[in-house]
Amino acid sequence: DGGITQSPKYLFRKEGQNVTLSCEQNLNHDAMYWYRQDPGQGLRLIYYSQIVNDFQKGDIAEGYSVSREKKESFPLTVTSAQKNPTAFYLCASRRGPEAFFGQGTRLTVV
Amino acid sequence: AQSVTQPDIHITVSEGASLELRCNYSYGATPYLFWYVQSPGQGLQLLLKYFSGDTLVQGIKGFEAEFKRSQSSFNLRKPSVHWSDAAEYFCAVLFSGGYNKLIFGAGTRLAVHP
Repeated sequence: DGGITQSPKYLFRKEGQNVTLSCEQNLNHDAMYWYRQDPGQGLRLIYYSQIVNDFQKGDIAEGYSVSREKKESFPLTVTSAQKNPTAFYLCASRRGPEAFFGQGTRLTVV
Repeated sequence: AQSVTQPDIHITVSEGASLELRCNYSYGATPYLFWYVQSPGQGLQLLLKYFSGDTLVQGIKGFEAEFKRSQSSFNLRKPSVHWSDAAEYFCAVLFSGGYNKLIFGAGTRLAVHP
């Protein structure tokens, strides 16, 4: 089945550690996006990429990093510089105007 | 700056009542417009979309939305709400040109009273 896979669904990390969230798609989409979701704030754009080896900062990129070495993959690293990393993270891919979303990863930093 | 505004954070309606969720955007050109729904702990489900043409679009689950260019709005409507419609609703806008940012509003949480 074609789709977007985010793994794991739940992730726990100790404060001060970097953590990488996985996002893989087999839809052959060029564009991919990462969002952070907090209660009452909707989805805020962290990074997005239109093509391989190219990506742009979104509205809340500080404390995050990404790579786009393959069309299928767009991993997000939450670094220790992110002051409040506990959140729900959603990945999306897009071909044409319509985006498709993964099921999300809930990251808890303790 | 490009932005998407959902002015209502929470809305409560009675089952069977009509519903309208508001969405406004800030952008010079006509963007691509979407409404998504999210149940607790779940991903996003696309309800409907507007790209061009007829400004009244039909979606899944009995929802419809109307694009009004003069008001930069894309309000979501349903004539009769069911208890299962309780969820969070997000308006999203794809600002095309350049790097094609997909921006979401803050969401509207809908509660349905029996």
